[in-house]
This record gives sequence, structure tokens and C-alpha cells, in this order.
Amino acid sequence: GENVEQHPSTLSVQEGDSAVIKCTYSDSASNYFPWYKQELGKRPQLIIDIRSNVGEKKDQRIAVTLNKTAKHFSLHITETQPEDSAVYFCAASLNNQGGKLIFGQGTELSVKP
Amino acid sequence: GAVVSQHPSRVICKSGTSVKIECRSLDFQATTMFWYRQFPKQSLMLMATSNEGSKATYEQGVEKDKFLINHASLTLSTLTVTSAHPEDSSFYICSANSLSTEAFFGQGTRLTVV
Repeated sequence: GENVEQHPSTLSVQEGDSAVIKCTYSDSASNYFPWYKQELGKRPQLIIDIRSNVGEKKDQRIAVTLNKTAKHFSLHITETQPEDSAVYFCAASLNNQGGKLIFGQGTELSVKP
Repeated sequence: GAVVSQHPSRVICKSGTSVKIECRSLDFQATTMFWYRQFPKQSLMLMATSNEGSKATYEQGVEKDKFLINHASLTLSTLTVTSAHPEDSSFYICSANSLSTEAFFGQGTRLTVV
């Protein structure tokens, strides 16, 4: 089955700097890659997603890139703010599985003022 | 977006008892729902796929007789943790999809077994 690896496990940046989180997946059939932000004790919140027919997607300060050949995808956050501090998870899914998500291990992002 | 509601948000139970967690899709029908478990400072691990009108599909290593899943209607799936033990203490969270690929998560249930 699918396996998703995520790095780094913790990331500390200064406010205003960029943050990059990387994930690799094992199943070449996976075609949907969402990123979630989770605050302590809360449900994951979708922040951006990308499908396998697209190489890059951007939404304001957040962007995701996908390299299907290498089977890896990355989250880029620019101009980080203290409120970006949270745990971020990548995930992979097969569309025809209707939403079954395999998550990466998570990255605890700390943005220092 | 679509709304998924999970209840209860917190529950404390005694070791050996059973606990039922409900997951409802409020504004859409979900033939499939998913149950995840998250231990502190860890990722969400898929436990099982809940299929409306048929048996759930469990991930490897998840005991189907311990984690009973029922999906009797298009808007409700339940997870019952039977004979709970302290090691079952965790954050349980469900998800469902509407017509889009995006998964909508319930609020999660913090289970503490004492």
C-alpha cells in the first residue's frame, strides 16, 4: 500500500522567512495530494491541495509543487507569521478510493516573532 | 464546504467498558466514511473505511472485533471501541467526502480510558 514520508519533523523559522516541508510517496498511482494544518486538539484543516496533472499550485503565501517522476511534493510558505505555527501534514490519495488518505508523519512548524 | 459532525468531543470511560462515537455528514450523503486514530504528537493513522450498507474495511493491524463500525445510513457512521483499555486512549477522527475529492473531517473525539 501507499507510504508517505515527511520531513522535517520540526522546523523553526523567523517571522518573515520562508518554510519548506517535503514529502515523498511510494504508490505511483496516487493522484491527489492535500496539505493540512492542525492545531492542538483540533481537526485538520485543508490549506492547499494538488492533483497529479498539475506541477504547481499557489494560493497567496502558500504554494505546493509536485514532481510525479520523483514521487515527491513540497509545501512552501512565504513571509511566515507567528499564526502559521502549527503541525502540518501532507497526505496522498487515490481519487477512486473516495478520500482514503495516507498521511505523512507531520511537521511542527514554529515561527518566532 | 460540507460539514461533518462528530460526537462526543471528549469522553472518559472506565477500563473494560465500551464507547460509541458518532460521525454525521450534515449536508451531504456519504456512502463512504473513514476513521482515523491519532496518538499524541503523531500522525493520523487510517483505521478503517466505513461503507454504507456493508461491512467496514479495516487496515492491517486494526482489530475489527475491538473497533466495531456501523454505517447504517448515508449520513451516519459509528465507531464503537469495545472493552476499552488505557492504550486505546487517543484522538479519534472521522472524515467523509462529498462529490469533491476534498475530505471533510469531524471535530474529533478525545477518548481517555481510566
